[in-house]
Amino acid sequence: AQSVAQPEDQVNVAEGNPLTVKCTYSVSGNPYLFWYVQYPNRGLQFLLKYITGDNLVKGSYGFEAEFNKSQTSFHLKKPSALVSDSALYFCAVRVYNTDKLIFGTGTRLQVFP
Amino acid sequence: DGGITQSPKYLFRKEGQNVTLSCEQNLNHDAMYWYRQDPGQGLRLIYYSQIVNDFQKGDIAEGYSVSREKKESFPLTVTSAQKNPTAFYLCASVRGAAASSGNTIYFGEGSWLTVV
Repeated sequence: AQSVAQPEDQVNVAEGNPLTVKCTYSVSGNPYLFWYVQYPNRGLQFLLKYITGDNLVKGSYGFEAEFNKSQTSFHLKKPSALVSDSALYFCAVRVYNTDKLIFGTGTRLQVFP
Repeated sequence: DGGITQSPKYLFRKEGQNVTLSCEQNLNHDAMYWYRQDPGQGLRLIYYSQIVNDFQKGDIAEGYSVSREKKESFPLTVTSAQKNPTAFYLCASVRGAAASSGNTIYFGEGSWLTVV
């Protein structure tokens, strides 16, 4: 079965510290991987994606993610967290040659001052 | 401004009523989607449409209906057959053939539906 897992419901980090939000996937074929962020009562905002090429992808607001094919992971990272990064983060995968996007259950990031 | 507009932001439905959520995009995107978001369950696909006058069921289509008469519009009707409709509904769209292009899917601001 095709799926995306975000093993942590919540991640807490102090402002200025590095942050990691984990994502693993299980799909057939080459995966297209995405990260989105959601603020309260808002839609999802696109952060970054991996389609092909360099395994390290840089996105909006200083976020980056590393695609690891052997570990089937696509963890989201940021070198220095801001309080304003506090939000709900979703990992998603679209299997090659389909139009469906499969989402993880989301990870709530809380950055403390 | 270009984007995806969902309306209304908040909607209350009485038991047994059908309600329609609007989704309009002026991005000239080809494919459009409806997702449902429940706490702790991520997003689940209800329906999607790749071209005008054509749409496909997603994972949780029962109790919902859609139409795609115009490229820019993809309204979702929540029927009385949907037994637990209270949720946050998100509309999305993408340019071109999403399947093989890797194009990014963009989302509207969402609509809250509450059964009263």
